[in-house]
Amino acid sequence: ELKVEQNPLFLSMQEGKNYTIYCNYSTTSDRLYWYRQDPGKSLESLFVLLSNGAVKQEGRLMASLDTKARLSTLHITAAVHDLSATYFCAVDETGANSKLTFGKGITLSVRP
Amino acid sequence: NAGVTQTPKFQVLKTGQSMTLQCAQDMNHNSMYWYRQDPGMGLRLIYYSASEGTTDKGEVPNGYNVSRLNKREFSLRLESAAPSQTSVYFCASTRDRTISPLHFGNGTRLTVT
Repeated sequence: ELKVEQNPLFLSMQEGKNYTIYCNYSTTSDRLYWYRQDPGKSLESLFVLLSNGAVKQEGRLMASLDTKARLSTLHITAAVHDLSATYFCAVDETGANSKLTFGKGITLSVRP
Repeated sequence: NAGVTQTPKFQVLKTGQSMTLQCAQDMNHNSMYWYRQDPGMGLRLIYYSASEGTTDKGEVPNGYNVSRLNKREFSLRLESAAPSQTSVYFCASTRDRTISPLHFGNGTRLTVT
């Protein structure tokens, strides 16, 4: 059974500083997705990582995938308040017919 | 551009009542999904439909049924609601399940008393 772990589950960030959050998964996969959810809202797609070594950047966020280590990182550069949200990674297990499995999410809070 | 539309937005049921959550997408997507979100649990897959005419169980299918009415619509039915089914339900769709992200609806907040 595929397990997806995110840590930490909550992170208080100071404005202007850099941070990294992690997503680990337990079985073979070469497809990983990052989503953002604002409180009380739906999920929106941030990044789609489809191969080992994939790196995607959007604004202050950069995501990467290491399929050998079964690890994805989301790096935050110079945190700003607008980045406060919950971030989910989701993994598509190879050959499992798209039963996309989500982590429990990391809630980021940016303070002045 | 509506995307994925879910109805209703909110619902309160008594234990034992039944209801159907509706989901429709206008993006000509092939695959559709139902997830539930509970505090601290992330999203858990209830059922999915890889293409019109097919449905499969996800991680937590007990107590639910689904119907892929056509390519646009995928409904979730609770036959006899239980308090454990209190949750936020999200419908999602994708064009190509191997490379495309999911597009989510705005969710249905269901409370079972």
